[in-house]
Amino acid sequence: KQEVTQIPAALSVPEGENLVLNCSFTDSAIYNLQWFRQDPGKGLTSLLLIQSSQREQTSGRLNASLDKSSGRSTLYIAASQPGDSATYLCAVRSDRGSTLGRLYFGRGTQLTVWP
Amino acid sequence: GAGVSQSPSNKVTEKGKDVELRCDPISGHTALYWYRQSLGQGLEFLIYFQGNSAPDKSGLPSDRFSAERTGGSVSTLTIQRTQQEDSAVYLCASSLSVGTSTEAFFGQGTRLTVV
Repeated sequence: KQEVTQIPAALSVPEGENLVLNCSFTDSAIYNLQWFRQDPGKGLTSLLLIQSSQREQTSGRLNASLDKSSGRSTLYIAASQPGDSATYLCAVRSDRGSTLGRLYFGRGTQLTVWP
Repeated sequence: GAGVSQSPSNKVTEKGKDVELRCDPISGHTALYWYRQSLGQGLEFLIYFQGNSAPDKSGLPSDRFSAERTGGSVSTLTIQRTQQEDSAVYLCASSLSVGTSTEAFFGQGTRLTVV
């Protein structure tokens, strides 16, 4: 059974720092890995999608890497800003027959960036 | 439509009543997912659809919960005889299909409060 773990559960940093959020998963039979952001009381906003064949994906100040064989992904946030404060979730899409296409989520990292 | 639409955005109901939650996926998306998120908790998988069929219903918490999808588009999640522990935000997501590596997009959720 796929299990997704995110470390740390919470992170509080001053503005301007570079950050690394970690995501690990137990079953490497995945189509892709997706990073989301969730603001309080809101739905999830997609940040980055990495295909299983890719090693990394970049969007602005965000860079996500994927090591499928070891079951790890990292989200790197450069020059953090208070507006980056949110909960960050990673999800993997199963490529295993019995659960084909199902999305498995971690519990998230709650990020606070203070001015 | 432009994005995943959920209605109502908020629902307050009395214990024991039935409720229906609606999800309109992005046009052309054949995969549709339901999750719920209790206060301060992670995302709990409920069910997902490929077209009108549900490959995995394992996440439905009890037989009071059911979901259907008609015409490969709109989905309805029904909770019968609601209980206070059903209070949560119910989130819907859609993607192009289940069996490919495509991005998932979420709606803003329905906040259900059972009093």
